[in-house]
Parts: sequence; C-alpha cells; structure tokens
Amino acid sequence: AQSVTQLDSHVSVSEGTPVLLRCNYSSSYSPSLFWYVQHPNKGLQLLLKYTSAATLVKGINGFEAEFKKSETSFHLTKPSAHMSDAAEYFCVVSSLTSGSARQLTFGSGTQLTVLP
Amino acid sequence: SQTIHQWPATLVQPVGSPLSLECTVEGTSNPNLYWYRQAAGRGLQLLFYSVGIGQISSEVPQNLSASRPQDRQFILSSKKLLLSDSGFYLCAWSVRAGSQYFGPGTRLLVL
Repeated sequence: AQSVTQLDSHVSVSEGTPVLLRCNYSSSYSPSLFWYVQHPNKGLQLLLKYTSAATLVKGINGFEAEFKKSETSFHLTKPSAHMSDAAEYFCVVSSLTSGSARQLTFGSGTQLTVLP
Repeated sequence: SQTIHQWPATLVQPVGSPLSLECTVEGTSNPNLYWYRQAAGRGLQLLFYSVGIGQISSEVPQNLSASRPQDRQFILSSKKLLLSDSGFYLCAWSVRAGSQYFGPGTRLLVL
C-alpha cells in the first residue's frame, strides 16, 4: 500500500521569496515520486520526478525536490517565487501494477498563492 | 511530439442521462492510457487504465465504464449519470510505466 500526505493545503508567499511545499510519503517498495502542477481549469503538468537516481531532482521553472528516505519526505522548493507559480501542486507516489502500468496515488494538493 | 486531446472541454448533463468522454493521443504507439477524476477541492482518483486495445482495468467500482476501441483512443462512458459523477475528468498517457502526461480535462456538471 502507498500513500502521500501534503502537509499544507494552502501556502502563501511573497513574490521573490522562497517556496517550500511539503510532502511525506508511505510506500512498501522503493518509490517513484512526482510533483505535478495544475493551473486553474487546466490539466496537470509534470514538474519533476524521482526514480531512484540522484536524490536532488531538478525540474522545470526553477523547481527542485529532495528525496529523503530517512524522513520519507519529498519536499518541493524554489528559491524565488514568481507570480506565474500560483497554482495547485500535487505530490504523487507511484507503484507498478501487475499490468505494467504505473498507478499514481495523489496527495490532496497544496494551493500556492504568490503575493505581489 | 506527442499530444493528448480530450473533448468536450465542458459538459452539463441531467441526472440519468448517458455519458461519453473521449480521449485521443497523437505521436506515440501503444501507449498506456488512464482516466482520472478530480472532485472539487480534492486530489485525483484513478478510475481506469489500459495497457492495450480492449484491455481495461478498473480501480474503483461505480457506474462508469471505459473502452479502448483503437490504440490511441480511450473512452469513458456511463449509461445513467449520478449527481456524484460531477467533477473534472482527466485522461493521461504514458510509455509503459514511464511518466504520465495529462490532457486538458473535461469538466462535467450533473444537474
């Protein structure tokens, strides 16, 4: 069984300040972890993924996340927030199904607000 | 490059009416295909996935069904919609167990 917990449902930051979106996971196996972003009324865009290579993963738009096995965490960070970063962010843990597909388990999401 | 299409973008349907949502993928062959539902203020829930034509796996028992009549076409259906079927429906594709890429979604409102 696997699960993911996003510790904050809402995060507000000022433009130009750092962003931290927290995620903890639970998985019986070595997990694959993802962060997706969803802008209003849009589909999901893949930001970055961890699949057992380097523990610090760099993604698009200046975001990065660090896999910490000892803390079962995969927090998303960005050094300086931009107004266009305002969106909902989903942390995702995945496992392989018996049919060679990947089953994603989504967190409940964190709404990021960027203040001018 | 690969693209994924969903239509319609928005749909308003009365309770008890049928449903058909379509998803198509371009630029890849034999993709894995997925249907997710996102209820208001919640994360995504996997409904169905398919690893090939005619192969459908259901994750959540409900009054919805899925079909894959062609390699790059995935259809979500219902014979009789319920109020609780309202939500944002997202289709996704992947190459085998690789990263999933999502379509623009269909917003369904059942009245």
